Amino acid sequence: NAGVTQTPKFQVLKTGQSMTLQCAQDMNHNSMYWYRQDPGMGLRLIYYSASEGTTDKGEVPNGYNVSRLNKREFSLRLESAAPSQTSVYFCASSARGPITDTQYFGPGTRLTVL
Amino acid sequence: KNQVEQSPQSLIILEGKNCTLQCNYTVSPFSNLRWYKQDTGRGPVSLTIMTFSENTKSNGRYTATLDADTKQSSLHITASQLSDSASYICVVRSNSGYALNFGKGTSLLVTP
Repeated sequence: NAGVTQTPKFQVLKTGQSMTLQCAQDMNHNSMYWYRQDPGMGLRLIYYSASEGTTDKGEVPNGYNVSRLNKREFSLRLESAAPSQTSVYFCASSARGPITDTQYFGPGTRLTVL
Repeated sequence: KNQVEQSPQSLIILEGKNCTLQCNYTVSPFSNLRWYKQDTGRGPVSLTIMTFSENTKSNGRYTATLDADTKQSSLHITASQLSDSASYICVVRSNSGYALNFGKGTSLLVTP
């Protein structure tokens, strides 16, 4: 049982380049989330997917798109990376929603945009 | 804007000592409060979750308390170990909306 896995672990991009962060979970969870974590700030929700086939914007969605490919996989795409998107990105999943469910986090992707 | 404030920002203690971390929040209406532990370079891991009616919950050497009237929570760590060195994050959920409100965390260093 791997839990939540993320690829890649590290990435360096130039301004304007695009990339997709991959996330998969093997816990049969319905809900999945993408967060970013910046120094001196709390985790902020980018997008979430309450169930397969649905996605919703979180607190900081600008500059990102997501795809809930199937129940297991939830990807985050940066179409035109900007230095302000330099951050650590965490994917998480929970059985139902965040009301009482615990979220399980992946190990993170450390992204630097030059 | 709903906020979660944690103190202290950082803390250094000797192995074997106890410590208490604080979390004050203005999130309303309140649903639940979680404490997470985040090791360096890893994702957060849940320690406890408390709803409005719960005022104490333990997980091994970790004991969380909640005073919903004063909107304060604390995380007490007993007999600290080197492996307790991490960031501890307080997360509060409102009954309104879907997002969780994350504190900035308290960075704890346990030294030999």
